Amino acid sequence: GIQVEQSPPDLILQEGANSTLRCNFSDSVNNLQWFHQNPWGQLINLFYIPSGTKQNGRLSATTVATERYSLLYISSSQTTDSGVYFCAVELLGNEKLTFGTGTRLTIIP
Amino acid sequence: EAGVAQSPRYKIIEKRQSVAFWCNPISGHATLYWYQQILGQGPKLLIQFQNNGVVDDSQLPKDRFSAERLKGVDSTLKIQPAKLEDSAVYLCASSFPGNTIYFGEGSWLTVV
Repeated sequence: GIQVEQSPPDLILQEGANSTLRCNFSDSVNNLQWFHQNPWGQLINLFYIPSGTKQNGRLSATTVATERYSLLYISSSQTTDSGVYFCAVELLGNEKLTFGTGTRLTIIP
Repeated sequence: EAGVAQSPRYKIIEKRQSVAFWCNPISGHATLYWYQQILGQGPKLLIQFQNNGVVDDSQLPKDRFSAERLKGVDSTLKIQPAKLEDSAVYLCASSFPGNTIYFGEGSWLTVV
């Protein structure tokens, strides 16, 4: 099956710093989504981004489908950004959404 | 707009007992998913419904897990008999086909 690898696995930053999270996938996809799982376990959808670039406030995401990776940028980090960030992909011709390994982000005040 | 509703939020059972989780998706969402998330891991898809038909259940342990989605709306996930390794969060999600997926708050299961 498809492999979805995220890096780094853990990231600790000072409040106000910027960060880049990466998602690599092993096959062509027709759907890629980024999620934030907060410390209480709630998964919140951040972006639906099978290709191109999108921005939402301090967050932006870019997917280069031909090179099989996606990046999530977080600028001016806040403590509320802490949690685990997952990317999830859906293969061409298969509606199953497969989650990556996750990046645990900790923002220190 | 109401989100995905799940119940119960927390459940503790002994091994070999049974448990059932309920999910009510966002109104109009044809696709419904059940994921299992073990502590420290990403969510793993157990079963995916399109309306009341099963799209994928390849990772559902069918000897002990069952799920149904009657009338294409609400869904229940049942585990019988439970094992220690079933301790996890069971996440229900819904979406329009091929669109943004929305998750409920999850049902936390502890098997002792």
